[in-house]
Amino acid sequence: NAGVTQTPKFQVLKTGQSMTLQCAQDMNHEYMSWYRQDPGMGLRLIHYSVGAGITDQGEVPNGYNVSRSTTEDFPLRLLSAAPSQTSVYFCASSLSITNTGELFFGEGSRLTVL
Amino acid sequence: AQTVTQSQPEMSVQEAETVTLSCTYDTSESNYYLFWYKQPPSRQMILVIRQEAYKQQNATENRFSVNFQKAAKSFSLKISDSQLGDTAMYFCAYSGGSNYKLTFGKGTLLTVNP
Repeated sequence: NAGVTQTPKFQVLKTGQSMTLQCAQDMNHEYMSWYRQDPGMGLRLIHYSVGAGITDQGEVPNGYNVSRSTTEDFPLRLLSAAPSQTSVYFCASSLSITNTGELFFGEGSRLTVL
Repeated sequence: AQTVTQSQPEMSVQEAETVTLSCTYDTSESNYYLFWYKQPPSRQMILVIRQEAYKQQNATENRFSVNFQKAAKSFSLKISDSQLGDTAMYFCAYSGGSNYKLTFGKGTLLTVNP
């Protein structure tokens, strides 16, 4: 059982470049989300989705786009990368759309923007 | 907005001893959920324990237990018989109301010394 799979695990970008972080889950979870983790800041919610075709903004959405065309996939797009987006990104999913259940996390993607 | 505060950025404990990690939160909701997540050096986020606010009884999972004080909005994690594998960053998290967003504290880095 793969759980939540994120790719790539590491990426280096130049300022202004675009890229997509991929996230896929095979647990038929309705709820999916993206967090970024920065030293001393904990995890902050970027975007989340409660089902295919439904997305909403979290605490720090600026500079990021998401879409949810299928239940399984929830990609995170950086349209024009900035050094402030250097971070570790986590995708997480949950069976419960009310966020009362356990969040299952991917292994994280470390992004460096030069 | 809900906030989660972990006042201890770092803690250390000797192997086999007991340690308590503190967490306080702010909310106006009457029903909500609280979580402790563990992030070892591998970076993988793992659920340690979960507490539902309407339940008076404190949650317990093997060596991990919580002290949930609803009136004081306090949710501390006690680790008994600490093991070297408990060395990790620990995050307290809150989820409440109709809000799908899980709010994390900034984390406490726990080191278990041999």
